[in-house]
Amino acid sequence: AQSVAQPEDQVNVAEGNPLTVKCTYSVSGNPYLFWYVQYPNRGLQFLLKYITGDNLVKGSYGFEAEFNKSQTSFHLKKPSALVSDSALYFCAVRDISGSARQLTFGSGTQLTVLP
Amino acid sequence: DGGITQSPKYLFRKEGQNVTLSCEQNLNHDAMYWYRQDPGQGLRLIYYSQIVNDFQKGDIAEGYSVSREKKESFPLTVTSAQKNPTAFYLCASSKAGRTDTQYFGPGTRLTVL
Repeated sequence: AQSVAQPEDQVNVAEGNPLTVKCTYSVSGNPYLFWYVQYPNRGLQFLLKYITGDNLVKGSYGFEAEFNKSQTSFHLKKPSALVSDSALYFCAVRDISGSARQLTFGSGTQLTVLP
Repeated sequence: DGGITQSPKYLFRKEGQNVTLSCEQNLNHDAMYWYRQDPGQGLRLIYYSQIVNDFQKGDIAEGYSVSREKKESFPLTVTSAQKNPTAFYLCASSKAGRTDTQYFGPGTRLTVL
């Protein structure tokens, strides 16, 4: 079975400060990991993914995420937050060795960037 | 959201009625998915299809039905058997590979009156 945990329902950060949105995962094999962002009443937008290779993945809008196998984490980061980054963020995982093709999503983290 | 359209954006249904949500994609993707989103629960998979005329149940398929007669289309019917259908429904599509990214439509918000 595969699962994802986003331990923080809400993250607040001041504009210009670095931000981190946390994600930990559990899979029996090796993971494929994804980050999505959702603005109110909209669909999810893809930010970045980790498949293999470099543990630091760079994505859209200046976001990056670091894959840490020993800690089973895939935290989303950005060096300098913008008010427009305020949104709901989802981490998702798929087990590379599993037969299931579906993603398992975390419950989401609401990011608020304060001006 | 580009390439995947969902209609209608808002849908109201009386109890006991079946309703069908539309999902169309022009990305030439083989796989399509339906998710349900409830506040604080993330996304849960209802059904998915990897190829035309074939689909599989996800984690919460009870009370829902789908069809995949065309590669571009994957409509979802919410039946009267679904006990709590009020939710935000999201359609997604992807290529067939295991590492391929799912791309999402704009969603349909269904409210049961």
